[in-house]
Amino acid sequence: DAKTTQPPSMDCAEGRAANLPCNHSTISGNEYVYWYRQIHSQGPQYIIHGLKNNETNEMASLIITEDRKSSTLILPHATLRDTAVYYCIVRGTSGTYKYIFGTGTRLKVLA
Amino acid sequence: DTAVSQTPKYLVTQMGNDKSIKCEQNLGHDTMYWYKQDSKKFLKIMFSYNNKELIINETVPNRFSPKSPDKAHLNLHINSLELGDSAVYFCASSPLGAYEQYFGPGTRLTVT
Repeated sequence: DAKTTQPPSMDCAEGRAANLPCNHSTISGNEYVYWYRQIHSQGPQYIIHGLKNNETNEMASLIITEDRKSSTLILPHATLRDTAVYYCIVRGTSGTYKYIFGTGTRLKVLA
Repeated sequence: DTAVSQTPKYLVTQMGNDKSIKCEQNLGHDTMYWYKQDSKKFLKIMFSYNNKELIINETVPNRFSPKSPDKAHLNLHINSLELGDSAVYFCASSPLGAYEQYFGPGTRLTVT
């Protein structure tokens, strides 16, 4: 599975959009991009995933570049409860379906 | 209504002891996983079972033995506990091949 690179930490003002980047330059054609978050040592929580089109759900939007080498998770109106570690993961659709978690981005939403 | 539950939430024990952590999911999923998150917060997969059959074993010491009595349960038994086993252990489940996994609340194991 491809490796991902994320900034170790980011701050965001409450109510503003949080844009979390992820680099996955070695991604292959059948690999999806997934985002999870972990709030203060709770179990990781699924946020969103995508292959090549931009995706949106009730939690976030996922923007994937045309070459698929990077993506951005957007939390449109960050709240204090969004403070967490955000993980970007690349995983294929065959084989053992395992995730390889990196170090993630620690997002701190400031009041 | 907890989807993935783990017991106990905290476990403190001495080196050399044997302990078990239980995991249950009520989502009807076929696949269950165990992850370990160490003190540096790295989250690594240990095992995965699909319909009670082992499909992932990530070079975990054989002191760790997962047991799946049915597809709703995946328990983790650890023999001869060592200091380095101290970590938070997360159970997760998903339908086979599904996009997302659902994680339990974690079990914090402390070996003294």
